[in-house]
Amino acid sequence: NAGVTQTPKFQVLKTGQSMTLQCAQDMNHEYMSWYRQDPGMGLRLIHYSVGAGITDQGEVPNGYNVSRSTTEDFPLRLLSAAPSQTSVYFCASSYVFTTEAFFGQGTRLTVV
Amino acid sequence: DAKTTQPPSMDCAEGRAANLPCNHSTISGNEYVYWYRQIHSQGPQYIIHGLKNNETNEMASLIITEDRKSSTLILPHATLRDTAVYYCIVSYILTGGGNKLTFGTGTQLKVEL
Repeated sequence: NAGVTQTPKFQVLKTGQSMTLQCAQDMNHEYMSWYRQDPGMGLRLIHYSVGAGITDQGEVPNGYNVSRSTTEDFPLRLLSAAPSQTSVYFCASSYVFTTEAFFGQGTRLTVV
Repeated sequence: DAKTTQPPSMDCAEGRAANLPCNHSTISGNEYVYWYRQIHSQGPQYIIHGLKNNETNEMASLIITEDRKSSTLILPHATLRDTAVYYCIVSYILTGGGNKLTFGTGTQLKVEL
């Protein structure tokens, strides 16, 4: 099993550009989530999903969109990138009623 | 979710036990205590969790006080590879499943020779 795979690993965007961060898991986990981590800080929850077709907002959802059309994939879309969105983004997955979350290796995004 | 308080940093000699404390005085009855760690800038790694009983797995032990207002993560024989930021998190299982993990700034554990 590959676990949780995030692509790309690094990305530089110009202000106003849009892009999609990809997240895929092969563990048949129902629950998936996106976090961002700014320098010197812990992770903050952006959006999460408890299954295909179901998404909800986390702590810092503004500027980000998500959808969940399959169990395996949970992409994060930046509609109009801003410098404040420069961060490291982590995707995680777990079974719905268990407590061990598996994290991807992160996407380092820089918005200039 | 209840907030947690951890010391910002701790040192430990290799081969000795590392005891990482966490205060969570406002924890609710249905909230679990989780521990994750993050090595360098990798994705966080699950270590252990518990509700009110002490727990042990191959990585660590979790000791939760009887009033559940604090806990201690114990790495019994710390190695250099255990150098990481350790996060103590309290969270409950959502009605529809899953849980929202709220990461603080954690404890930077440095294991030295």
